[in-house]
Amino acid sequence: GEDVEQSLFLSVREGDSSVINCTYTDSSSTYLYWYKQEPGAGLQLLTYIFSNMDMKQDQRLTVLLNKKDKHLSLRIADTQTGDSAIYFCAVTRPSSYKLIFGSGTRLLVRP
Amino acid sequence: NAGVTQTPKFRVLKTGQSMTLLCAQDMNHEYMYWYRQDPGMGLRLIHYSVGEGTTAKGEVPDGYNVSRLKKQNFLLGLESAAPSQTSVYFCASSGLAETQYFGPGTRLLVL
Repeated sequence: GEDVEQSLFLSVREGDSSVINCTYTDSSSTYLYWYKQEPGAGLQLLTYIFSNMDMKQDQRLTVLLNKKDKHLSLRIADTQTGDSAIYFCAVTRPSSYKLIFGSGTRLLVRP
Repeated sequence: NAGVTQTPKFRVLKTGQSMTLLCAQDMNHEYMYWYRQDPGMGLRLIHYSVGEGTTAKGEVPDGYNVSRLKKQNFLLGLESAAPSQTSVYFCASSGLAETQYFGPGTRLLVL
């Protein structure tokens, strides 16, 4: 079945850029998502990219997709303390509404 | 427009007790989902529904039952709670082949 992997932890200094990485195994994945979870809260959709795109930018967020390597990344520019959270990568396949989640990357932003 | 709501927010059960978690959405979404989130494991799909009156098993369905009697509600039942069901439960909903929107979660502790 589909497997989605993320590194567990990332620590950056406030004002630096953060890059959170995700790899997946199913090359037929169509939509690839990034969700943010703050402590004690639900999952908030940050952004998503369709599989026929290489890049998507939305304000401070940049998503890069390398289909050949099955690698997805989320770059947060000018990282703020409010960006501290767990970030989940999730993918879905054609004609499927099921999301397969990675285990999440905890981002810690140091002042 | 409240989006996806879940009740209760927190519950403590004794082993063997039963309870029902309620999820409601006001976005007229066809699809609804129940996930559990455990430390270091991301979200895993328990059951899902593709429309009123339909349900299907997800990745980890054992020990749970669901019902979708009304389009806007999706109920998750635990008939005989076990400590292994201590978790945070998230409900989500989506339109056809669309982004999933999550509720705030229910924290369940089974003693």
